[in-house]
Amino acid sequence: GENVEQHPSTLSVQEGDSAVIKCTYSDSASNYFPWYKQELGKRPQLIIDIRSNVGEKKDQRIAVTLNKTAKHFSLHITETQPEDSAVYFCAASRDDKIIFGKGTRLHILP
Amino acid sequence: DGGITQSPKYLFRKEGQNVTLSCEQNLNHDAMYWYRQDPGQGLRLIYYSQIVNDFQKGDIAEGYSVSREKKESFPLTVTSAQKNPTAFYLCASASSPYNEQFFGPGTRLTVL
Repeated sequence: GENVEQHPSTLSVQEGDSAVIKCTYSDSASNYFPWYKQELGKRPQLIIDIRSNVGEKKDQRIAVTLNKTAKHFSLHITETQPEDSAVYFCAASRDDKIIFGKGTRLHILP
Repeated sequence: DGGITQSPKYLFRKEGQNVTLSCEQNLNHDAMYWYRQDPGQGLRLIYYSQIVNDFQKGDIAEGYSVSREKKESFPLTVTSAQKNPTAFYLCASASSPYNEQFFGPGTRLTVL
């Protein structure tokens, strides 16, 4: 079955710097890759997603890249702000099943 | 955030008792999911359903059961067979497997 590895588990960056979170997946048939953000005490919310027919997608300060050959995808956050502090989850989906990574806790340092 | 609800927010049960967690959505979504969230473990899929009267096991289905008698409702029963039931449980729904999942607020279950 699908396995999703996410790194790092914790990431601290200075406010204004960029943050990168990486995920790898095992099932080459996976074709949908969403990223969710979970702020403390709140429910996860989708921040960006990418499908297998696209290599990169950008939404303001957030971008996701997908390398199907290497089976990895990454989340890039530029010009980080205090409100970016949260836990971020990647996921990979094929057919009707979705598998999440274990999450990355992002700390934005003042 | 609106449209998918879970109740109760906190639930306490004695060891050996079955307990049912409620999940309701009014988003007209076909797909519904149950996840368990433990510290450092991410979101682990318990059960999912793509259509009424049909559901599939996720990665950690042992000790859990579900039903999908109505499109709007996907209750999860934590049985006494679940070895370590104390956790935070999240329900989600989506219009399809390839679209955004909307999560409920979660139920924190504590088994004493």
